[in-house]
Amino acid sequence: IAGITQAPTSQILAAGRRMTLRCTQDMRHNAMYWYRQDLGLGLRLIHYSNTAGTTGKGEVPDGYSVSRANTDDFPLTLASAVPSQTSVYFCASSEAGETGELFFGEGSRLTVL
Amino acid sequence: GQNIDQPTEMTATEGAIVQINCTYQTSGFNGLFWYQQHAGEAPTFLSYNVLDGLEEKGRFSSFLSRSKGYSYLLLKELQMKDSASYLCAVDNDYKLSFGAGTTVTVRA
Repeated sequence: IAGITQAPTSQILAAGRRMTLRCTQDMRHNAMYWYRQDLGLGLRLIHYSNTAGTTGKGEVPDGYSVSRANTDDFPLTLASAVPSQTSVYFCASSEAGETGELFFGEGSRLTVL
Repeated sequence: GQNIDQPTEMTATEGAIVQINCTYQTSGFNGLFWYQQHAGEAPTFLSYNVLDGLEEKGRFSSFLSRSKGYSYLLLKELQMKDSASYLCAVDNDYKLSFGAGTTVTVRA
């Protein structure tokens, strides 16, 4: 593994189903983030974690939950998917407490029907 | 709240120069980033400004004026591979807020 790995790459999901997007990093970064990207709206922060064991809400957290049991993994869960959650989801990481660049995963394209 | 504005689209000719402006109004400011994103790919880091002035890195330069809430990304000697979206992002409390992005199309 090099950098950030997201899975699945692409998924079609029926409305009302539960879905977990996985994110794993091997850079030992303390901070991790989940963004969604929609046409015309850019990247919007869903949830973040500054260190293992802590999480915080971003700009658009409703309908999503996260956990940070360890440094490397930061899964994003949609408890009951809705069509408005159709988007491309990017996981990212950085060194917490410092202004540093974000390293992004390759994205997960989710379609909710 | 955050308000980050940049033009939606720009078109330029191969070999030319293009300047992408970004204005921002944010509740906090630790620095400003520019990212490049090719279609279907993840964003990649281009530049970072925390102090006023110009930062040059090869064909790309980025400028910041904190007092004016303004930045620009300058792309020189445009190449076809520079066709991409360019994202302005403000670091607010060590979390990045992004503009909607500027799609640059380079034509031969």
